[in-house]
Amino acid sequence: DGGITQSPKYLFRKEGQNVTLSCEQNLNHDAMYWYRQDPGQGLRLIYYSQIVNDFQKGDIAEGYSVSREKKESFPLTVTSAQKNPTAFYLCASSHRGRRLSDEKLFFGSGTQLSVL
Amino acid sequence: KQEVTQIPAALSVPEGENLVLNCSFTDSAIYNLQWFRQDPGKGLTSLLLIQSSQREQTSGRLNASLDKSSGRSTLYIAASQPGDSATYLCAVPPNYGGSQGNLIFGKGTKLSVKP
Repeated sequence: DGGITQSPKYLFRKEGQNVTLSCEQNLNHDAMYWYRQDPGQGLRLIYYSQIVNDFQKGDIAEGYSVSREKKESFPLTVTSAQKNPTAFYLCASSHRGRRLSDEKLFFGSGTQLSVL
Repeated sequence: KQEVTQIPAALSVPEGENLVLNCSFTDSAIYNLQWFRQDPGKGLTSLLLIQSSQREQTSGRLNASLDKSSGRSTLYIAASQPGDSATYLCAVPPNYGGSQGNLIFGKGTKLSVKP
């Protein structure tokens, strides 16, 4: 059953603590993405990776870090430097088709992060 | 910089009604446009992807149209059902090239279909 798995579904962070959100995909997709969603807002891109061992900052990368050691995995760490981390975090992946216009995005079910 | 706007922010209709959701974008040089559905507390599900060379795409009761010259797309839902209640988002890729997966999203239209 192919798809994108995010864990945990709910996560709580204490002051000054780093937390890591997991994202695993078995779709054999090359590209993976992390988005942040705040209530009533559109999604904003945090980081993305087009290939293993390479990643780029998105629009709101400050206070976050990522790694891409395996094609299937793209974990996101929310560091203590992120002062407003409460949000819904979505991981996505895509397969580059023959044409850029064919590229379709698939999403995981999300992780809700809250601050204690 | 590309901006995506969705109006209205919320819409409530009785069951069985046909409805239209609107999406507009500021830069018409897009590769494609995607419509997504999001249920509360869940991830996004891709509904339709319209390539820049296409005028519309259909899937069941859903029909999405694209008018690049006017920077608009519409999602038409026929014979709405309570199960259609969700937030609908549209998104376009940035037009500077590179990965087309780092999409620019609208804020969505929250649809409520009442029995």
